[in-house]
Amino acid sequence: DGGITQSPKYLFRKEGQNVTLSCEQNLNHDAMYWYRQDPGQGLRLIYYSQIVNDFQKGDIAEGYSVSREKKESFPLTVTSAQKNPTAFYLCASSIDRAGEQYFGPGTRLTVT
Amino acid sequence: GQQLNQSPQSMFIQEGEDVSMNCTSSSIFNTWLWYKQDPGEGPVLLIALYKAGELTSNGRLTAQFGITRKDSFLNISASIPSDVGIYFCAGGQNFVFGPGTRLSVLP
Repeated sequence: DGGITQSPKYLFRKEGQNVTLSCEQNLNHDAMYWYRQDPGQGLRLIYYSQIVNDFQKGDIAEGYSVSREKKESFPLTVTSAQKNPTAFYLCASSIDRAGEQYFGPGTRLTVT
Repeated sequence: GQQLNQSPQSMFIQEGEDVSMNCTSSSIFNTWLWYKQDPGEGPVLLIALYKAGELTSNGRLTAQFGITRKDSFLNISASIPSDVGIYFCAGGQNFVFGPGTRLSVLP
């Protein structure tokens, strides 16, 4: 059945290492998004993509990078330049930029 | 940019009570969405509203698109323990998310 998958659920990394979070959707959605959520906080937009091979910075893009080589996939790389990378990362997709967003289960990243 | 405020920030209620929460915007929205997030999970879409004044129900949940188009309301009737979580509103052309209302249900 259709949905959004994120893997892994939990990820641990040492400070200074880049790490890539996976997001795949089989909903045939054009738009995909990455959000960051800190404890007790709302969602902050990192990057979004409206179409393959195109993506735009959100509110907190510094220290992150993305790619959109396939419609189904929108991986997020947390680089060593991100000063405080420990957080809960959520991927979402929508039929287009104006459509309702559907979320994956999230990846909790811990950097020590 | 667009900002959303949600009220209350958190609430503790007894099982069986009704719940009301709202979301306000500094600008006019054409769409309002309500999500629920369980601890450690991704938000799940509950209700989508597309027209000013629209009232839509999903089981025990009812949401309304405010007539001014700057607010929306979510009501939960006869709360149960599994209603616990964070309720987010989202709206606007680029779907800005509110900070959430954290609901706790006491048995």
